[in-house]
Amino acid sequence: AQSVAQPEDQVNVAEGNPLTVKCTYSVSGNPYLFWYVQYPNRGLQFLLKYITGDNLVKGSYGFEAEFNKSQTSFHLKKPSALVSDSALYFCAVRGGLTGGGNKLTFGTGTQLKVEL
Amino acid sequence: GAGVSQSPSNKVTEKGKDVELRCDPISGHTALYWYRQRLGQGLEFLIYFQGNSAPDKSGLPSDRFSAERTGESVSTLTIQRTQQEDSAVYLCASSSFYGYTFGSGTRLTVV
Repeated sequence: AQSVAQPEDQVNVAEGNPLTVKCTYSVSGNPYLFWYVQYPNRGLQFLLKYITGDNLVKGSYGFEAEFNKSQTSFHLKKPSALVSDSALYFCAVRGGLTGGGNKLTFGTGTQLKVEL
Repeated sequence: GAGVSQSPSNKVTEKGKDVELRCDPISGHTALYWYRQRLGQGLEFLIYFQGNSAPDKSGLPSDRFSAERTGESVSTLTIQRTQQEDSAVYLCASSSFYGYTFGSGTRLTVV
């Protein structure tokens, strides 16, 4: 069975500082990995995805994530945080072509709080 | 429309009543998913439709929950004899092979 772990319920960072939101995964075969963001009372918005190719993936709003196969991780990063980045972030995984099924499995989410 | 549309956006129902939630996926997206998000929690997979294949119902929490999809179009999630623990936001997503798009959800409150 595939699974995603987001070990931090909340991450606090000062505006202008770099941020990292951690994600590790377990899946059969090559993983397809995703990050979504959820603002209060809003639906999920796609940030970025890793399917294949370059391990460093760049996405919306200046976010990026690095796929690390040996550590089965896909941490979300941003060089300089903004107060407007404060939101709930979800990591998700599905198995690739050999992984069986299209079901997207989500982590429990990490609340990011960026303060002045 | 260009996105995934869900209706109603909010639903308040009395305990014991049945409710039906609707999802209009993006045209051409063959896969459709239902998730549940309880307050302050992550997304819980409910059911997944892929084309004409048998749906993956492994996430449905009880036999009070059911879902249908006609072809590659609209899906309805039905909850019978609602309970207070069913209160949550129900999210629908549709996907092509690589991309998933979520609707804004239906906020269900059982009183």
